[in-house]
Amino acid sequence: DIQMTQSPSSLSASVGDRVTITCRASQSISSYLNWYQQKPGKAPKLLIYAASSLQSGVPSRFSGSGSGTDFTLTISSLQPEDFATYYCQQSYNTPRTFGQGTKVEVK
Amino acid sequence: QVQLQESGPGLVKPSETLSLTCTVSGGSISNYYWSWIRQPPGKGLEWIGYIYYSGSTNYNPSLKSRVTISVDTPKNQFSLKLSSVTAADTAVYYCARRGWLMNYYYYMDVWGKGTTVTVSS
Repeated sequence: DIQMTQSPSSLSASVGDRVTITCRASQSISSYLNWYQQKPGKAPKLLIYAASSLQSGVPSRFSGSGSGTDFTLTISSLQPEDFATYYCQQSYNTPRTFGQGTKVEVK
Repeated sequence: QVQLQESGPGLVKPSETLSLTCTVSGGSISNYYWSWIRQPPGKGLEWIGYIYYSGSTNYNPSLKSRVTISVDTPKNQFSLKLSSVTAADTAVYYCARRGWLMNYYYYMDVWGKGTTVTVSS
């Protein structure tokens, strides 16, 4: 199985901050990387697919980059509704695997 | 737009079989892959497996011996059965649709709200 490791596991930030979350794969996965946002008690929501493609309806302050083993999710200016947990997920092969999550909290 | 709704018992006894159904509304189950994912309390996401509308399946090897995913195209539903459950199977279970880009980038773009299943006697 491909292991996905996110860093940090949690971070504290303020509204307006630029936030960066990193995801590392245990082997090269090209650009087969997705990002999801999950709020408490809710289902995950797709933000980014194919490493850098923005899902329809997702604000442009979210962006993704990377290829191979190292990927980044960036929120350019954190908004109140962005406090949540973020997961990366590889779609290079099965079993699909997720990172352990990064919780973005209010500073 | 397409919506998914999980349904099934919220409480299952140890050693019994967990059975859940996902109903697809607002669109057809045809021509898509459909997934099950679970999330134990306070933990991360685990992919269980997926099924194509035609019936072909792919399961997580860690659960493969206990998992069956099936599809009922006329009813626009697909189902999950997980046998010989233990407390470790207590989780929120989500169903999701697999979207794609250029036929090789895959992602889960539509999710159900999730249903909590507790394994306890």
